[in-house]
Amino acid sequence: AQRVTQPEKLLSVFKGAPVELKCNYSYSGSPELFWYVQYSRQRLQLLLRHISRESIKGFTADLNKGETSFHLKKPFAQEEDSAMYYCALTRNQGGKLIFGQGTELSVKP
Amino acid sequence: DVKVTQSSRYLVKRTGEKVFLECVQDMDHENMFWYRQDPGLGLRLIYFSYDVKMKEKGDIPEGYSVSREKKERFSLILESASTNQTSMYLCASSRRFSSGNTIYFGEGSWLTVV
Repeated sequence: AQRVTQPEKLLSVFKGAPVELKCNYSYSGSPELFWYVQYSRQRLQLLLRHISRESIKGFTADLNKGETSFHLKKPFAQEEDSAMYYCALTRNQGGKLIFGQGTELSVKP
Repeated sequence: DVKVTQSSRYLVKRTGEKVFLECVQDMDHENMFWYRQDPGLGLRLIYFSYDVKMKEKGDIPEGYSVSREKKERFSLILESASTNQTSMYLCASSRRFSSGNTIYFGEGSWLTVV
């Protein structure tokens, strides 16, 4: 079965500290993986996707097929990074997304 | 600027009432989705539609139905609302074949069933 697991409900760090939000998935095949972010009082929006191998707002994520993981990382957290983060996968373009449970990131001053 | 609009942001309904949640997108997208967002459970897919008058069940369709009479509009219907349907409902849309598979979300509809 396709599944996305985010083991941490809440991650609290201080400003300037490194942050890693964990995401593990189970899927038989080659999924596409994404990170979505929801800032307070804003709509859910795409942060980054693994096929682009991009860095957005200082965040990066590497797909590790051996460990079936897609952890989100940032070397120096900022207060404005505080938000809800969701890892998601899909097996085809434009298709339905399967989301993890979400991790709330809180960056303290 | 892409836009997915959910007309009702906050609703309070009584148990047993019929509830309509409306969603409109202005991007000529083929795919539209309804998700339910609950703390600790993430987003769960209720229904999706890949064309006008076409629909498929998601992971939690029980107690819900949908309607897609026009390409730009996708409605979620709660035939008889129950308290366990109190939640945030998110509508989304995407192109069927799009580079990068970007899905765009609406702002959400907070539904409270009392």
